Amino acid sequence: AQRVTQPEKLLSVFKGAPVELKCNYSYSGSPELFWYVQYSRQRLQLLLRHISRESIKGFTADLNKGETSFHLKKPFAQEEDSAMYYCALPSTGRRALTFGSGTRLQVQP
Amino acid sequence: NAGVTQTPKFQVLKTGQSMTLQCAQDMNHNSMYWYRQDPGMGLRLIYYSASEGTTDKGEVPNGYNVSRLNKREFSLRLESAAPSQTSVYFCATGGSTDTQYFGPGTRLTVL
Repeated sequence: AQRVTQPEKLLSVFKGAPVELKCNYSYSGSPELFWYVQYSRQRLQLLLRHISRESIKGFTADLNKGETSFHLKKPFAQEEDSAMYYCALPSTGRRALTFGSGTRLQVQP
Repeated sequence: NAGVTQTPKFQVLKTGQSMTLQCAQDMNHNSMYWYRQDPGMGLRLIYYSASEGTTDKGEVPNGYNVSRLNKREFSLRLESAAPSQTSVYFCATGGSTDTQYFGPGTRLTVL
């Protein structure tokens, strides 16, 4: 069965520091991977998906099939990046998503 | 366009009470989903509906029922609420890709 692991519950960095939010997955086949973000008191929204290869709000994520990872990176963190971040991939056998447990990013001034 | 809307925003129930959470979308998506969000556990799928008239169990369906009333609406019912169902509930929709779009959530407390 597919699984998404986000090993860090909380990541705290200072403004301007690089950020890397870790995501590892297990999946048979070639997965489509997503990062969703939830700012305080807001709904979850798509941040980026690996197939589009975009950089959104300065964030990028590269799919590493050898390490089965899809880490989210930003070279210089901003205070407004503070939020909950979820990695996700499609569930096997159903048109739904399997989410990781989430990482709270705290960017301190 | 409102996107995905949910009612109510907040609810407090006593153990054993019932309630229905409502979700509506104006995105013309076929698929709709109910997730619950708990600290340290991420989002877990309760039920989903791939199209109007169909529903299927997700990862944690026990204690819940759903109705896909039409293409726009997908409701989640708790017949006899338990404290373990205290959570934040999110409705989501999905179109032809795997991207999902979420509602604002319902914060439910069961005493």
